[in-house]
Amino acid sequence: DIQMTQSPSFVSASVGDRVTITCRASQGISSWLVWYQQKPGKAPKLLIYAASSLQSGVPSRFSGSGSGTDFTFTISSLQPEDFATYYCQQSDSFPLTFGGGTKVEIK
Amino acid sequence: EVQLLESGGGLVQPGGSLRLSCAASGFTFSTFAVSWVRQAPGKGLEWVSTISDSDDSTYYADSVKGRFTISGDNSKSTLYLQMHSLRAEDTAVYYCAKSRAVASSGMDVWGQGTTVTVSS
Repeated sequence: DIQMTQSPSFVSASVGDRVTITCRASQGISSWLVWYQQKPGKAPKLLIYAASSLQSGVPSRFSGSGSGTDFTFTISSLQPEDFATYYCQQSDSFPLTFGGGTKVEIK
Repeated sequence: EVQLLESGGGLVQPGGSLRLSCAASGFTFSTFAVSWVRQAPGKGLEWVSTISDSDDSTYYADSVKGRFTISGDNSKSTLYLQMHSLRAEDTAVYYCAKSRAVASSGMDVWGQGTTVTVSS
């Protein structure tokens, strides 16, 4: 199974800050990496697919990069509605696996 | 509007069974892979199972293999998850989710979730 290691697990940041989250796969997954946002009590929302492609309707302040085993997710200028938990997920092979999540909280 | 609506959750005793349903609308159900993903209280996301659109192949997490069965009824646009031999560690919110057109490009539509509690 492919293990996904996400860091940090917690980020304290202010509105306007740049936030970066990393995700490392235990083996190469090409660009088969997805990023989701989840707010409390809500279902996850797809933000980025294929490592760097922005899902339709998602603001351009969200971006992703990387390939192989190392990936990065960035929020260029944090907005109040962005405080949430973010998960990476490898979509290369079954079993699908998620990172442990990064909670972005208000400083 | 593309929508998924789960139902069937509830309280069940350890060792019991439950069947979850996920009604799809707004898209052609048979042309997308669909999955179940769960989230235990206060924990992260855990993939449970997927059924392929192309050949109805099914895939399971090791934690549920042999106990859970995923299936779909294209005539009803409904996804199911039959769960047997339930354990306390199966307690979670269960989401159904539709894959993007390229199944390896993530899950773009999610239901609101249904809660399963396994407890005596």
